Amino acid sequence: ETGVTQSPTHLIKTRGQQVTLRCSSQSGHNTVSWYQQALGQGPQFIFQYYREEENGRGNFPPRFSGLQFPNYSSELNVNALELDDSALYLCASSLKGTTAGELFFGEGSRLTVL
Amino acid sequence: SQQGEEDPQALSIQEGENATMNCSYKTSINNLQWYRQNSGRGLVHLILIRSNEREKHSGRLRVTLDTSKKSSSLLITASRAADTASYFCATLGAGSYQLTFGKGTKLSVIP
Repeated sequence: ETGVTQSPTHLIKTRGQQVTLRCSSQSGHNTVSWYQQALGQGPQFIFQYYREEENGRGNFPPRFSGLQFPNYSSELNVNALELDDSALYLCASSLKGTTAGELFFGEGSRLTVL
Repeated sequence: SQQGEEDPQALSIQEGENATMNCSYKTSINNLQWYRQNSGRGLVHLILIRSNEREKHSGRLRVTLDTSKKSSSLLITASRAADTASYFCATLGAGSYQLTFGKGTKLSVIP
């Protein structure tokens, strides 16, 4: 148990719809990172939030957006869903200011786009 | 894009045997980490090795790092059926804020 919780665990959407995924970070952690993991692949970095600001972004289009709240919880929003967005979305929390960069992952939200 | 590449992609061994997985990466790193993922679940951090370290142990795990070859290996000794999972290496680039993962090695331990 990492203390990172994600919701919902599973959801099904259709092409063109929008989705919001939520993450509560581990107590004391101020940084949240989001990853997309397609079937059979490793996690791909989407973006990271620190103190409510986007702190870095991977190679994902602007229709992937996020928020971080004062309590360090976070949301991932995806607009205009495409079939290729079907994946496991992983949230990970960490403590910025340490050099290790160890991430603590939630169990993920599995999104299926039909 | 994937920074690390694990080898082999899949590995099947008998319980009690040792399992070795390798990881190669492309750019300078601050540290390299290994994670484990049970089927369709979240990733669990196993061990971290810094760029100035060559070997590290944690229980049945042994990790080596060769920065001149840009490669690392993870050894799991005396494997158990419960070790069946996918194993990923992840690199933290020098001056970077993001972990970059490889595609993983799928380990099956047969009782």
